[in-house]
Amino acid sequence: EVQLVESGGGLVQPGGSLTLSCAASGFRFSGYWMNWVRLPPGKGLEWVAIIGRDGSEKYYIGSVEGRFSISRDNAKNLLFLQMNNVRADDTAVYYCVGGAGYLFDFWGQGTLVTVSS
Amino acid sequence: DIVMRQSPDSLAVSLGERATINCKSSQSLLSESKDFLVWFQQKPGQPPKRLIYWASTRDYGVPDRFSGSGSGTDFTLTISNLQAEDVAVYYCQQYYSEPLTFGGGTKVEIK
Repeated sequence: EVQLVESGGGLVQPGGSLTLSCAASGFRFSGYWMNWVRLPPGKGLEWVAIIGRDGSEKYYIGSVEGRFSISRDNAKNLLFLQMNNVRADDTAVYYCVGGAGYLFDFWGQGTLVTVSS
Repeated sequence: DIVMRQSPDSLAVSLGERATINCKSSQSLLSESKDFLVWFQQKPGQPPKRLIYWASTRDYGVPDRFSGSGSGTDFTLTISNLQAEDVAVYYCQQYYSEPLTFGGGTKVEIK
């Protein structure tokens, strides 16, 4: 059974940092592109970042470029999102999403990040 | 960036009737005879569930009352014979190019 389990969410102050993790199981992790997608409260879904199978390709939405960094450890089946200089509008449920190419095939349950002083 | 526009923002449909959701992209999603467009269903407290990919291919296990149509820049999700369990927010999303973008969502309720 495919499983993606996010962790690391919580309350963080504006300007602070947070690292999200996603533990993958039930599929060949290294064979899939991986993403972070977020759902801000009361708003719609927003794709945040994607990383290629070997980690050499990375793309970000403009609003997080230079502040967030996506990475992966294929030996440990882990995906990460390093979030720096966070802002109030980064408040959201963050989902770990895997897929073949740019398709979003499977999703985790999400982890809540709240940016507030 | 490709902008995805959905309409309406919400709609209320009677049980057993049809719901139609529209999605328009700011540029064509068609390449090599395939449209890079998916539809998701999201219920409160749950992650999104993909219903349709390549604009019209239903995912395994998705009831056949859900259908996708359209090509190029104009797409439609149709829910025939609406059931109570179909109450959710529906999103279209393009996977043609980065940044990968979603429509704003359509909330479907029972009238």
